[in-house]
Amino acid sequence: DAMVIQNPRYQVTQFGKPVTLSCSQTLNHNVMYWYQQKSSQAPKLLFHYYDKDFNNEADTPDNFQSRRPNTSFCFLDIRSPGLGDAAMYLCATSRVGTGVSYEQYFGPGTRLTVT
Amino acid sequence: AQSVTQPDIHITVSEGASLELRCNYSYGATPYLFWYVQSPGQGLQLLLKYFSGDTLVQGIKGFEAEFKRSQSSFNLRKPSVHWSDAAEYFCARGNFNKFYFGSGTKLNVKP
Repeated sequence: DAMVIQNPRYQVTQFGKPVTLSCSQTLNHNVMYWYQQKSSQAPKLLFHYYDKDFNNEADTPDNFQSRRPNTSFCFLDIRSPGLGDAAMYLCATSRVGTGVSYEQYFGPGTRLTVT
Repeated sequence: AQSVTQPDIHITVSEGASLELRCNYSYGATPYLFWYVQSPGQGLQLLLKYFSGDTLVQGIKGFEAEFKRSQSSFNLRKPSVHWSDAAEYFCARGNFNKFYFGSGTKLNVKP
């Protein structure tokens, strides 16, 4: 089945130690998203790639970076994690274009703990 | 500004009872509207979507939603709730390549 895969599912990092979260997709979608979700809150969009074009949300901290080396993969880098960055990180994909649907497909998420 | 409002933070229903979760959106043009469900520790799963056409939309797991332009609403319904429906439900509005999520409604199901 075509899907969105996130690795790892659980990640523990130390305060200030860089961490990278991974997302891959077999849907061949042209848009990939990273969301941060804290407990009992809605997902908050951090940034998205439309093909190779990177789109950062205005309130996303500089501590968060992303890379998309090809259509299938997208990475979230947290340069110096703080305790407030502990959250679930969700990757999603979408195909955007004329005559196609706009729903987003989500991966299972990576739960990040900062110690 | 575009926004999505889910007025109910928590709802508890008995198993077998009917369910309606409310969603209101702002911004005038015909919206792309979605309902997602999230089980604890999981990603979001699409239940149904509305783009245009028939205002009553059928989804997976026996859910349906009705788009009412006059009320700016897109409420989710299910005639008979199962214990496995306990989860958090998010309404979302799409605008090209961005989504605006409501704050979510957490559904508890009583035996």
